[in-house]
Amino acid sequence: AQSVTQLDSQVPVFEEAPVELRCNYSSSVSVYLFWYVQYPNQGLQLLLKYLSGSTLVKSINGFEAEFNKSQTSFHLRKPSVHISDTAEYFCAVSLIQGAQKLVFGQGTRLTINP
Amino acid sequence: NAGVTQTPKFRILKIGQSMTLQCTQDMNHNYMYWYRQDPGMGLKLIYYSVGAGITDKGEVPNGYNVSRSTTEDFPLRLELAAPSQTSVYFCASDRTGSYEQYFGPGTRLTVT
Repeated sequence: AQSVTQLDSQVPVFEEAPVELRCNYSSSVSVYLFWYVQYPNQGLQLLLKYLSGSTLVKSINGFEAEFNKSQTSFHLRKPSVHISDTAEYFCAVSLIQGAQKLVFGQGTRLTINP
Repeated sequence: NAGVTQTPKFRILKIGQSMTLQCTQDMNHNYMYWYRQDPGMGLKLIYYSVGAGITDKGEVPNGYNVSRSTTEDFPLRLELAAPSQTSVYFCASDRTGSYEQYFGPGTRLTVT
């Protein structure tokens, strides 16, 4: 079975500071990796995903994540955060083979202080 | 496109009552999913469907039932509601090979 661990439940940062949200996964077989974002009182939306190719993937709003197979990690980073990035962020995995379904981590609440 | 819609937005149930949470998508996605979200626990998959007439259990199916008679609709049935089913429920959909799930706005359910 797969599992996902997000090491920080809450991360407070100041506006324009860099941030890293950590994600580690466990799986005996190959997986795809995802970051989803949930803004207050909304459903989740895909931020970025790694399926194949370059291990560094980027979103349109400045976030990036790097797949590290040896460390089984997929940490999310942004060099300079904005107030609008305040949200909960979820890391998830999906098996490459079989049904297309996600296993989520516990979530990290990112709070941006002015 | 409305995307994924869920009704109701909020509901309070008494212990032992039953209800159906509705989910509809207009993107012609073959995959549909039901999750529950509890604080600090992330999202847990309840049931999913790969197409009309095909459903399968997720991680936490006990106390729930689903059906999928059309591509668009995927209702979730709660029989004999229990306080442990107090949660926020999300429906999602996806297309084979896309690996981008689209989520509805959620239903906040309280069982007292």
